Amino acid sequence: KAGVTQTPRYLIKTRGQQVTLSCSPISGHRSVSWYQQTPGQGLQFLFEYFSETQRNKGNFPGRFSGRQFSNSRSEMNVSTLELGDSALYLCASSFKQAGVGTGELFFGEGSRLTVL
Amino acid sequence: EDKVVQSPLSLVVHEGDTVTLNCSYEVTNFRSLLWYKQEKKAPTFLFMLTSSGIEKKSERLSSILDKKELSSILNITATQTGDSAIYLCAGYTGTASKLTFGTGTRLQVTL
Repeated sequence: KAGVTQTPRYLIKTRGQQVTLSCSPISGHRSVSWYQQTPGQGLQFLFEYFSETQRNKGNFPGRFSGRQFSNSRSEMNVSTLELGDSALYLCASSFKQAGVGTGELFFGEGSRLTVL
Repeated sequence: EDKVVQSPLSLVVHEGDTVTLNCSYEVTNFRSLLWYKQEKKAPTFLFMLTSSGIEKKSERLSSILDKKELSSILNITATQTGDSAIYLCAGYTGTASKLTFGTGTRLQVTL
């Protein structure tokens, strides 16, 4: 069974640009969450999608957005990039629907974004 | 605001030693406590604990959840160099359906 797949794995952008990251969950999983990992802040929750609907959002500015498609694949977008957005962005999928499960999330290998 | 604190931040041990990693949590509508191991890439799932008690993944890895004390420990016995990694603890809240992570404990096992 294929795991969570994230693309691209690495990318470099400059300040002011925007970026779109993609995540394909494990087959059959309908919940997709996004996390940002930085050395200083650790792993922080960005948002969660289930059945194409954003269920929850973390404390991030509106420059961070996402969506989920009918096949459960998800994208996140960051506009007007800032240096502080440099991080590893991790996607995680889960079979159980939002608010019902007990949190067993399976992570992809992440997209490492560097903003120059 | 939900909070998870891990200690120590890092430690170095010799192969064969036993280590105990600590995690305390304050998570609203707490559902479960999870432990992940992160080497160079994605965090890999180790344990999920929903009720007080002991969970055992293998002969060497075990975890205890104490819901009264809002804490958990991860024990690794007979450590091996392959155990070197960052160990992440996270609390899951059913209300917001999200994991709140601690900053992790970096474990290095030397020969």
